[in-house]
Amino acid sequence: NAGVTQTPKFRILKIGQSMTLQCAQDMNHNYMYWYRQDPGMGLKLIYYSVGAGITDKGEVPNGYNVSRSTTEDFPLRLELAAPSQTSVYFCASTSQGELFFGEGSRLTVL
Amino acid sequence: DQQVKQNSPSLSVQEGRISILNCDYTNSMFDYFLWYKKYPAEGPTFLISISSIKDKNEDGRFTVFLNKSAKHLSLHIVPSQPGDSAVYFCAASGGETSGSRLTFGEGTQLTVNP
Repeated sequence: NAGVTQTPKFRILKIGQSMTLQCAQDMNHNYMYWYRQDPGMGLKLIYYSVGAGITDKGEVPNGYNVSRSTTEDFPLRLELAAPSQTSVYFCASTSQGELFFGEGSRLTVL
Repeated sequence: DQQVKQNSPSLSVQEGRISILNCDYTNSMFDYFLWYKKYPAEGPTFLISISSIKDKNEDGRFTVFLNKSAKHLSLHIVPSQPGDSAVYFCAASGGETSGSRLTFGEGTQLTVNP
């Protein structure tokens, strides 16, 4: 049972570079989320999706973009990476209530 | 505007004793509360939840208490075990943050000493 799979697990970016964090779930969940976790700050919602073709902003969407072309995949795009985007990123999915999280992607922007 | 707050960044207890983790919230529209546990280099995993129609929910060694009038919930772990050492996040949903969107607290690092 794969659950929620995130790639890559680690990445170092230079300022101004762009990249995509991949997220896939095999539980046929409608809801998918991207969170970032900064030290001592808990998890902050970046973007979320309630189904294929539908996305919406969370608390901290600036500097990110998402798409949801299929139920399974919810990639997070960083354009023009900045040091403030250094964080651990978690993708999650649910059908209702309890969230299932991926293992996280640690991103460092230098 | 931190709607869910965990005021203790860390807690240390002896094995076999009770661990009590606390969480306060400000949004009266929250009606569903969850606790997640996170080990280093892993994603958070669901531990236990409670709906606002209840004031207590129990699952083995874990019990969550909800005091709606005080907008406060707590997680009790008894007896505590060294494997319980992890970061615990409180989360809430409901009202304008419904549709399964969760608002998380900052987390409390629990250390259980053998």
